[in-house]
Amino acid sequence: GEDVEQSLFLSVREGDSSVINCTYTDSSSTYLYWYKQEPGAGLQLLTYIFSNMDMKQDQRLTVLLNKKDKHLSLRIADTQTGDSAIYFCAVGSARQLTFGSGTQLTVLP
Amino acid sequence: EPEVTQTPSHQVTQMGQEVILRCVPISNHLYFYWYRQILGQKVEFLVSFYNNEISEKSEIFDDQFSVERPDGSNFTLKIRSTKLEDSAMYFCASRPRGGLDNEQFFGPGTRLTVL
Repeated sequence: GEDVEQSLFLSVREGDSSVINCTYTDSSSTYLYWYKQEPGAGLQLLTYIFSNMDMKQDQRLTVLLNKKDKHLSLRIADTQTGDSAIYFCAVGSARQLTFGSGTQLTVLP
Repeated sequence: EPEVTQTPSHQVTQMGQEVILRCVPISNHLYFYWYRQILGQKVEFLVSFYNNEISEKSEIFDDQFSVERPDGSNFTLKIRSTKLEDSAMYFCASRPRGGLDNEQFFGPGTRLTVL
């Protein structure tokens, strides 16, 4: 089955860019998502990219997809304290998603 | 903005008891899902449901689990005889039919604690 890996922790200073990385194993995955989870809250979809795209930009968020290396990244420009949360990479089809373990982003003042 | 809701937010139960977790998906959505997240671990797919039947299920979704859409609005997950290892956050999700709207919208989760 699909395996999705993320680093567990990332700390950045307010105003800097954050880059959260994700690798996956199933090259047939069609949809690649980034979800945000704040403490005690549910999963909020941030953005997604289809497998036939290389890049998607949405305001402060940029998603890069390297299909050859099966590597997905989420860049958050001008990171704010409100961006502190756990970020999950999720990969798969519309029918079923496999989640990574999540990256805890801490934004330092 | 429409959202997926789940009740209760926290459920505490004794081992061996039955629990029913409730979800109200977004009203025009047709596909429904349950996921769980054991504390500190990954979010894991449990089951998907479409047209009043299970579409896919994972190895976790054994005979102790069942899902139901008892009416036009609710989607429930039942665990017949809870075990300690069922303690987790359970997320419901729904998505609209087809097209580019394939994102799954998640509810806030129900934290299940089995004692």
